[in-house]
Order: sequence, then structure tokens, then C-alpha cells
Amino acid sequence: EIVLTQSPTTLSLSPGERATLSCRASQSLSNYLAWYQQKPGQAPRLLIYDASKRATGIPDRFSGSGSGTDFTLTISSLEPEDFAVYYCQQRDKLCTFGQGTKVEVK
Amino acid sequence: EVQLVESGGGLVQPGGSLRLSCAASGFTFSPFGMNWVRQAPGKGLEWVSYISSDSSTIYYADSVKGRFTISRDNVKNSLHLQMNSLRAEDTAVYYCASGTYNYYMGVWGKGTTVTVSS
Repeated sequence: EIVLTQSPTTLSLSPGERATLSCRASQSLSNYLAWYQQKPGQAPRLLIYDASKRATGIPDRFSGSGSGTDFTLTISSLEPEDFAVYYCQQRDKLCTFGQGTKVEVK
Repeated sequence: EVQLVESGGGLVQPGGSLRLSCAASGFTFSPFGMNWVRQAPGKGLEWVSYISSDSSTIYYADSVKGRFTISRDNVKNSLHLQMNSLRAEDTAVYYCASGTYNYYMGVWGKGTTVTVSS
């Protein structure tokens, strides 16, 4: 099983700041990595797939990068609606999710 | 409107069974693989099962293998999860999600809650 480890667990930032979220895989992925956003009481929403492609309707302040075992989600300038929990997910071998990073208001 | 709507959740005793359903509307259901993903209270996301567009390929997480069965009906645009031998640790919100983005989960339902307790 591929294990995804996200860091940090919690990120405390202010609106307008840059957020950098990390996802590390226990073995190399063929860039089959996605990022999801989840707000309280809501289903997850796909942001990024294939490591760097934005899903339809996702603002360009969200970007994904990385390859192999290290991947990053960057939010260039946090908007109030971006405070949420973010999960990475791999589909290279079956499917697993990371444990999540909570982006909270500082 | 693109929509997935889950149903069938509820309270069940340990060892019992439930059958979850997911109804798709507003998009073409049949070409896409489908997933069940669950989220225990206060916890993260856990992938449960996947079924390909033609039901020829099915995968399960180790935690549910041998107890859960996924199926789909492309005529009725529906997805199902038969859950047997339920345990307390199966308590979660269960989401269905469509692999509309190169097999990634682009469309999600709002979830249905399963509680396993005596």
C-alpha cells in the first residue's frame, strides 16, 4: 500500500498569505496525484489532478507541482474561502489519501 | 445539474448489513469508474472501493475486503455498496464519487451516514 504523508498537520496563516502544503509518498508515483479541498459539513472538491492540472473552475491561485515522491499544493494568496482541510490522493496503485492538512486563520 | 445522491445509511447493530445506493443525474454515468469513500467522525478520507465503467474491474480496501460488495447499474445510473458483517469501525459518512477527471474523483455526493452500534 502506498502511504501518503502530508505536512504540516495544521497551517496557520492570514488572508493574503501564501500557503505551501506538502505530500510525500512512500514510493514513487507516476504523477497520478490529486489534491482535494474539504470544508466542514461538505463533500471534498477536486482541485488538482495529475499533480499539476487544475480541475474546471478552480482559481489559478491554486497550483500543484512535484514528481516522484514529493508533491506540493500552493495557494498563492489565501482568500477567506480557502480556509479548509486539504487532502492529497494517489491513484498509481489502487487509491489512498493523505491524512490531511488544515489551513486555519491565524 | 450534475448530481450524485447517496441513500441507504442508518443505524445498524454490529454484525448487521446495509445496502447503500448512489443515484447519478445531470451527466453521463456509464463511461466513468465509480468509487465509495468514507470518513469516520472527525477523521480523514478513506477510499473503500472502485468499480470500472463496465464492472469488469473491482477493487476494495483491505479493511472491507470480503465484507463489502460494490456494483452498478448503467441503465438505472446507479451505484451500490452491499455492506455485511458491519463493525463499529465502519461508522462513517459514505460518499460516492465519480472518476470524471482521468479517473480522479471529480463529482461527489453529499454522503450518507452509517452508524454501527448496539
